[in-house]
Amino acid sequence: HLVESGGGVVQPGTSLRLSCAASGFTFRSYGMHWIRQAPGKGLEWVAYMWKAEDNGHYADSVKGRFTISRDNSKNTLFLQMNSLKVEDTAVYYCVRGSSAGSAPFDYWGQGTLVTVSS
Amino acid sequence: DVVMTQSPLSLPVTLGQAASISCKSSQSLVHIDGNTYLNWFHQRPGQSPRRLIYKVSNRDSGVPDRFSGSGSGTDFTLKISRVEAEDVGVYYCMQGTQWPPWTFGQGTKVEIK
Repeated sequence: HLVESGGGVVQPGTSLRLSCAASGFTFRSYGMHWIRQAPGKGLEWVAYMWKAEDNGHYADSVKGRFTISRDNSKNTLFLQMNSLKVEDTAVYYCVRGSSAGSAPFDYWGQGTLVTVSS
Repeated sequence: DVVMTQSPLSLPVTLGQAASISCKSSQSLVHIDGNTYLNWFHQRPGQSPRRLIYKVSNRDSGVPDRFSGSGSGTDFTLKISRVEAEDVGVYYCMQGTQWPPWTFGQGTKVEIK
């Protein structure tokens, strides 16, 4: 079970932090992704983190502005979004990645909407 | 980056008839470990995507057996043997062989005629 929160309406250039609370599985054993979907558009992978000490991997469109992190003690994934742009407007999904013996992208949260507008 | 190209982008189908969606990748999706990491997802209106198929042809738990995935290398296909009303929505292919980034196709919208 994955539950995102933290979305909202913000102005361009500002920041927002998304959270994803995980339950029902051993969170620390799985890589985790953020994937987004702009209104009426397709799916775009945003960021991935395997271990908490990793730097994470990012789409070119968000590199240098977004930071993925996780707190395994709280079973929570985060996405710090800085210098937000109008084109970052999207529903952001938290998605379970891979683990030993488990194929990734099997569980998705309900999504949280981020709207960047002046 | 691996580019994923789906066709058609719109697919009107008759209930009970078969449907087929093509997904082509710009590079081979065969991983050095021998697996091919090609997934299919279904998104109903207003819902989160749901994985249907992983590693080309493995159906997820609870996915009806009317759904099947096939293909190899750069060419892949999702087939629905007999379309039902609940199958409407958008279908996406996605590769996880060469990452980052993980990349999706544009999506194919399936609707009932």
